[in-house]
Amino acid sequence: QSALTQPASVSGSPGQSITISCTGTGSDVGSHNSVSWYQQYPGKAPKLMIYDVSIRTSGVSKRFSGSKSGNTASLTISGLQAEDEADYYCSSYTTSTTLVFGGGTKLTVL
Amino acid sequence: EVQLVESGGGLVQPGGSLRLSCAASGFTFSTYWMHWVRQAPGRGLVWLSHLNTDGSIATYADSVQGRFTISRDNAKNTLYLQMDSLRAEDTAVYYCARAFRQQLIHWGQGTLVTVSS
Repeated sequence: QSALTQPASVSGSPGQSITISCTGTGSDVGSHNSVSWYQQYPGKAPKLMIYDVSIRTSGVSKRFSGSKSGNTASLTISGLQAEDEADYYCSSYTTSTTLVFGGGTKLTVL
Repeated sequence: EVQLVESGGGLVQPGGSLRLSCAASGFTFSTYWMHWVRQAPGRGLVWLSHLNTDGSIATYADSVQGRFTISRDNAKNTLYLQMDSLRAEDTAVYYCARAFRQQLIHWGQGTLVTVSS
C-alpha cells in the first residue's frame, strides 16, 4: 500500500496555470477511474474537488480540471487565484479494495 | 445539510485503547459506505479503513490491521473506530468520511488523538 507520488510543492503566479501530477501503478491509478482530488486548507478538513478522474463536485470552479493517462493522474488549475493556495491530495481506489492517497502537494500562489 | 461529527479523541498512553465515534446526519446513513482517514501533525492524509452499508465488509490498511476495528450502528447513524494497542505513531487527527463510488465526498471536522506517556 505505497502512497501515490505527488510533487511536494508547486507554485505559480496569479493568472497562470499549474498542473499537479499523481503517479501510481497498475494496481491503483492505472486500473480504476475512482481517482479523486482533495483540497485542504491549514487546520481544516479536506474537501473533495474532483472525482472519477475528471468530474468537478458541485460548486467547484471550472478552473479546476482532472485527467488521467496510464498510471498518472493530473490536476490542472488555470487562472490561479490567491485563494487556491492550499494542499492538494490525490487518491485512488486499488485492486486490493483499499484506498491510497498521494503524499500531498503544497500549492503556493506567488 | 450533510454533517459528520467525530468525537472520542484525546490523550492516551502507549498500549492503550480509544473508541472514536462519528455521528452522521443530513443523509440516509445506512446506504453509504463509510471511511476513516488520519493525518499526523504536519503530514499527509492516510487511509485507514472502510465499511460497507450493513457492516459486513470491512477493509483495513496494513498499518492498522489487527489493531483497529471499524463498525457502525445504522439505527444510531453512527460510525465507530475501536483503536487498540495504540502507539506514538498513531498520534493524528482522525477523520470520518462518507463515500461515493469509493471517493470521499463529505468529511467530518476531525478529532485529535494523542498517544503519549
